[in-house]
Amino acid sequence: GESVGLHLPTLSVQEGDNSIINCAYSNSASDYFIWYKQESGKGPQFIIDIRSNMDKRQGQRVTVLLNKTVKHLSLQIAATQPGDSAVYFCAEILGNTPLVFGKGTRLSVIA
Amino acid sequence: DSGVTQTPKHLITATGQRVTLRCSPRSGDLSVYWYQQSLDQGLQFLIQYYNGEERAKGNILERFSAQQFPDLHSELNLSSLELGDSALYFCASSVGLGDGYTFGSGTRLTVV
Repeated sequence: GESVGLHLPTLSVQEGDNSIINCAYSNSASDYFIWYKQESGKGPQFIIDIRSNMDKRQGQRVTVLLNKTVKHLSLQIAATQPGDSAVYFCAEILGNTPLVFGKGTRLSVIA
Repeated sequence: DSGVTQTPKHLITATGQRVTLRCSPRSGDLSVYWYQQSLDQGLQFLIQYYNGEERAKGNILERFSAQQFPDLHSELNLSSLELGDSALYFCASSVGLGDGYTFGSGTRLTVV
């Protein structure tokens, strides 16, 4: 498959463990945040989003935490599975401006 | 299948040439975005169209241009290609402005 960002930070976790992927966003005025998952050879896929008036949102096996004080987002994946192996990007939106992506983190799940 | 269709999936061309990448947005989506993804730069925003009109420009080179047609499909034209233009080019669409995006599977451009 295609390589996405050879120089990305990498997180390696054991199958079944929880994963935490962190992201520092750039604009304190951003009001909408999204986590995307990108598997090899595919486009980014929406995972979960959060508005700036919230500090936590839960989905199926995923939780996003937002700390506006330090401009920090995290994505928590419970009971990580081999299918979770991918590159994860956080992205931010301010109003109607285009999505701005962070650099990405490669998650590697060890079976 | 995300509903966003990009063609071609792969493209190999020589330096100095011109290519056109095509994107059909998800049904009902009015906004189309183009992003470039290279090994060094991550996902870089190029240009956005909303209902046929250019809405925002990012780091798009003057050698690159795009348009959105009345049927809402979009084309990205890359000319005078250089080796450094080799990258994945993604199209995304959204219903309106400020909404989450749906991405296509990308076009991998290789300039030799």
